[in-house]
Amino acid sequence: DVVMTQSPLSLPVTLGQPASISCRSSQSLVHSDGNTYLNWFQQRPGQSPRRLIYKVSNRDSGVPDRFSGSGSGTDFTLKISRVEAEDVGVYYCMQGTHWPGTFGGGTKVEIK
Amino acid sequence: QVQLQESGPGLVKPSETLSLTCTVSGGSVSSGSYYWSWIRQPPGKGLEWIGYIYYSGSTNYNPSLKSRVTISVDTSKNQFSLKLSSVTAADTAVYYCARTSDYWGQGTLVTVSS
Repeated sequence: DVVMTQSPLSLPVTLGQPASISCRSSQSLVHSDGNTYLNWFQQRPGQSPRRLIYKVSNRDSGVPDRFSGSGSGTDFTLKISRVEAEDVGVYYCMQGTHWPGTFGGGTKVEIK
Repeated sequence: QVQLQESGPGLVKPSETLSLTCTVSGGSVSSGSYYWSWIRQPPGKGLEWIGYIYYSGSTNYNPSLKSRVTISVDTSKNQFSLKLSSVTAADTAVYYCARTSDYWGQGTLVTVSS
């Protein structure tokens, strides 16, 4: 299975400040169809995961534009330009290029 | 707006079969554009993809669970289902159904215990 490694494990952030989460895969996520199936999810406390970003950098409908995704190959980043209180939760990257799809271990974003 | 809702027993005995159903509203499991998935999350841990099914009935299972998993679809009821046999305490988790990866159910906790 493709191993997804996220860092940091925990990310205390001051309101209004930026935040960045790294995700690295154990092999390239470029699919034979040319797409890179790397998604980002947010899981607020007590809720199911919500997809924020698909195929590296595409924001899902209704996702604030303070969230952005970037990267290529095996190295990816989720950025929050200005953290708001509602952004508290655990963030997961997930690859869908190789079966089975696999998730990173999660990064817990909390407010300082 | 697509909505998914898991249903099934919250408690299953060891060695028995876990059975869950996902009811889809606001969309159709017959849509060829999506696949319908089961994903689980043990308490306090990360996420694991169990498998998925297309409306045609073709499936793909996580190799780590393949010998115990069956996913099926009932287009007449707009539902799809999960069966996981020979369960142990390690199968205790919140089980989510999802459309591809964009819409998820609220999840249902299944505890394996005698």
